[in-house]
Amino acid sequence: QKEVEQNSGPLSVPEGAIASLNCTYSDRGSQSFFWYRQYSGKSPELIMSIYSNGDKEDGRFTAQLNKASQYVSLLIRDSQPSDSATYLCAVRTSGTYKYIFGTGTRLKVLA
Amino acid sequence: GAVVSQHPSWVICKSGTSVKIECRSLDFQATTMFWYRQFPKQSLMLMATSNEGSKATYEQGVEKDKFLINHASLTLSTLTVTSAHPEDSSFYICSVSSGEEKLFFGSGTQLSVL
Repeated sequence: QKEVEQNSGPLSVPEGAIASLNCTYSDRGSQSFFWYRQYSGKSPELIMSIYSNGDKEDGRFTAQLNKASQYVSLLIRDSQPSDSATYLCAVRTSGTYKYIFGTGTRLKVLA
Repeated sequence: GAVVSQHPSWVICKSGTSVKIECRSLDFQATTMFWYRQFPKQSLMLMATSNEGSKATYEQGVEKDKFLINHASLTLSTLTVTSAHPEDSSFYICSVSSGEEKLFFGSGTQLSVL
């Protein structure tokens, strides 16, 4: 079983719509969760971090965490073509404190 | 967040040569740096955890004699790919964990071994 799982996509949404990206993880003891955006050929950049259950909003982005279900999601409101990228979910594992990444979901925002 | 500088951005080398990649933490004293590798259309795979002043901790399946890591100061870690072969061609990225547990990445190095 993979430690962090994401749907690879591509997820296509029209400009202005809400994009919903999902992630599940296997280490129940994990405490720190992150969403990164990666453009082709570039390194990942941090978008959101979330540490407790519930929602965390930052501009057009909302991260949601449900530790009981071992589920993390990212919502992007008013999606723009510039949001087209691969979104990586990352989990900092308990014990070893390593950052484990999912395979990423490719998002396409259609103009 | 932490500012991480990585050089070179890309390198092309002949099979059998060694390549050195530098990673610098410009505004944060990093006792720990992480080295990742990413093959096309795949996710980041942790190669090793670099600890200042001590030996790196390598992930299972990563050859420590092939991927030499040196973390001599709080701001510099280097990764040397020794005797590189075409299968080592990949995108190598270093990262630094800030005091808030957030991970910040260098710009990455695209290695192509001919």
